Amino acid sequence: AQSVTQLGSHVSVSEGALVLLRCNYSSSVPPYLFWYVQYPNQGLQLLLKYTSAATLVKGINGFEAEFKKSETSFHLTKPSAHMSDAAEYFCASYMEYGNKLVFGAGTILRVKS
Amino acid sequence: EAGVTQFPSHSVIEKGQTVTLRCDPISGHDNLYWYRRVMGKEIKFLLHFVKESKQDESGMPNNRFLAERTGGTYSTLKVQPAELEDSGVYFCASSQYDSITEAFFGQGTRLTVV
Repeated sequence: AQSVTQLGSHVSVSEGALVLLRCNYSSSVPPYLFWYVQYPNQGLQLLLKYTSAATLVKGINGFEAEFKKSETSFHLTKPSAHMSDAAEYFCASYMEYGNKLVFGAGTILRVKS
Repeated sequence: EAGVTQFPSHSVIEKGQTVTLRCDPISGHDNLYWYRRVMGKEIKFLLHFVKESKQDESGMPNNRFLAERTGGTYSTLKVQPAELEDSGVYFCASSQYDSITEAFFGQGTRLTVV
């Protein structure tokens, strides 16, 4: 069965530091992959998505993610963390058969001043 | 343009009671999805409507859950009777086209069963 694993349920970085949130997928076929963010008291917002075009995907708010088939990874990065980046981040893969998203367990990002 | 709206934002009920969650999709979106996140776990699919028809309800956990979308507009998700393990956040999403990859999510309803 398709699954998504996010390493680290909590990540803490200093303001201005690199943000790295890890995501690994398991699929026999390279899937479509997504990163969503949930800010406090808000809904899930799409950050970026990989749909088998460019392996480096740029999203909103300065985030980007790189699809690495050899590592079955889709890690999310941002060069310089801002306080407003504090939120919960979810990695997800798309099951084309069944039209569903399979989510990871989420990573809470804390940004320290 | 209004986004996907969910009511209530929070609900606390006692075990055995009934709760109804509501989702108002973006106007014109025929596709409506329900997902839920049980505490600390992954967000998981519950079901998918196309207009008023259930396209896929394979994620519904048991027959205590009933989803409806009369008239193909808003949807309700009723839990009756609620159990402790039903606590979590229930998300709704809608899309114009038949793909969850194009969907917009609501803010979720946090359900606590005590």
